[in-house]
Amino acid sequence: QQQVKQSPQSLIVQKGGISIINCAYENTAFDYFPWYQQFPGKGPALLIAIRPDVSEKKEGRFTISFNKSAKQFSLHIMDSQPGDSATYFCAASMLGYSTLTFGKGTMLLVSP
Amino acid sequence: GAVVSQHPSRVICKSGTSVKIECRSLDFQATTMFWYRQFPKQSLMLMATSNEGSKATYEQGVEKDKFLINHASLTLSTLTVTSAHPEDSSFYICSANIRQGGSYNEQFFGPGTRLTVL
Repeated sequence: QQQVKQSPQSLIVQKGGISIINCAYENTAFDYFPWYQQFPGKGPALLIAIRPDVSEKKEGRFTISFNKSAKQFSLHIMDSQPGDSATYFCAASMLGYSTLTFGKGTMLLVSP
Repeated sequence: GAVVSQHPSRVICKSGTSVKIECRSLDFQATTMFWYRQFPKQSLMLMATSNEGSKATYEQGVEKDKFLINHASLTLSTLTVTSAHPEDSSFYICSANIRQGGSYNEQFFGPGTRLTVL
């Protein structure tokens, strides 16, 4: 049973545009939500993460929006650049547990 | 930042041989490390959770006798693929866990190892 649903599967955005990737979770015990960025042939890198005590977290061009009641969270990439072209994974875990549940990933292509 | 290394980055072996992959946390101690497998254009599939000084916990469907995991120290975990076959060809990624304040955990990933079994 997939506990974190991620959409879209792939996304094409023009340079300078906003990339939006959405995730929805089912397990209400989840309370840590990281996003990972992965380039081809490389391991995932932690991009940004949010905890449920805040509804939004911003780091540079990357913003997580979190809606606890809807059990949804999303990644917004502002002023998208070709260098942002990668696969993005959302994930979730529970307080006190280290195991992550991953979404299926979104392949982002930012066209020049 | 937390750095996790893997060695080798790429390995090609003949069918029937065993391959060892090392995962090291370079600037922190990790009581828990994880091993993942990733097929092209797919998400990460957790294979096992490795705790220092104890036996690894394998996910359902992962053969523990085929994928041997040893967490020898707080900075080193190894994955040995025994009697490798072409279907074991994949991208293997490890991660190491840091417990932050308030019992939250963050995972940092290694760069991955591409295994090709001929």
